[in-house]
Amino acid sequence: EVPLLESGGGQTQPGGSLRLSCVATGIDFSNYAMTWVRQAPEKGLEWVSGLSSSGDSIYYADSVKGRFTMSRDNSNNILYLQMNSLRVEDTAVYYCAKYNDRSGYYGVPNYGMDVWGQGTTVTVSS
Amino acid sequence: DIQMTQSPSSLSASVGDRVNISCRASQTISTYLNWYQLRPGKAPDLLIYAASRLQSGVPSRFSGSGSGTDFTLTIASLQPEDLGIYYCQQSYWSPETFGRGTKVEIK
Repeated sequence: EVPLLESGGGQTQPGGSLRLSCVATGIDFSNYAMTWVRQAPEKGLEWVSGLSSSGDSIYYADSVKGRFTMSRDNSNNILYLQMNSLRVEDTAVYYCAKYNDRSGYYGVPNYGMDVWGQGTTVTVSS
Repeated sequence: DIQMTQSPSSLSASVGDRVNISCRASQTISTYLNWYQLRPGKAPDLLIYAASRLQSGVPSRFSGSGSGTDFTLTIASLQPEDLGIYYCQQSYWSPETFGRGTKVEIK
């Protein structure tokens, strides 16, 4: 059983759109804040966005603000990342992850991400 | 944004060796420092949170120390399955930021 499974990655041109999904299994999804983290080729990890358990508190990295939208469906245990106006520099492996805190609150300070998916690859290229 | 500086960027050690990886924050982050392991083909793993707390299920050969701006991840006795890239992350200031990683290879 894979606790978090991402899908929706692929290749698109600059200016294109993709929607990533992350299906949660066996982790009490609706009670935890969630996040998307990405890793560009030959680069380190970059936090992209964070979302509270209820979905009413969302934060984005400056690099994606206004272009990406994070949301969740607690009825079906699915996390989403809608990515519009994609740029070459958005090329990366995208991971969804669960925050290490049962409060469901998203914010800092926090105790990191304790469950991760295996990632889905997004390639933006002309 | 808070800059996280890891050193070394890579290391090669023998099975059984003691390994230390350092992480320095550009501003104080109290003890809100987490360590992750990335291995090829596997989901990232949280090893240490809050600078020194061992995540459930992580072998006790891993330990963390430090506060303020300077932190260390120690592997007491390196094992073959420990190869991978290790990242520190601060979770005190928004946006949360990661170090550039330390690649651990087995001699």
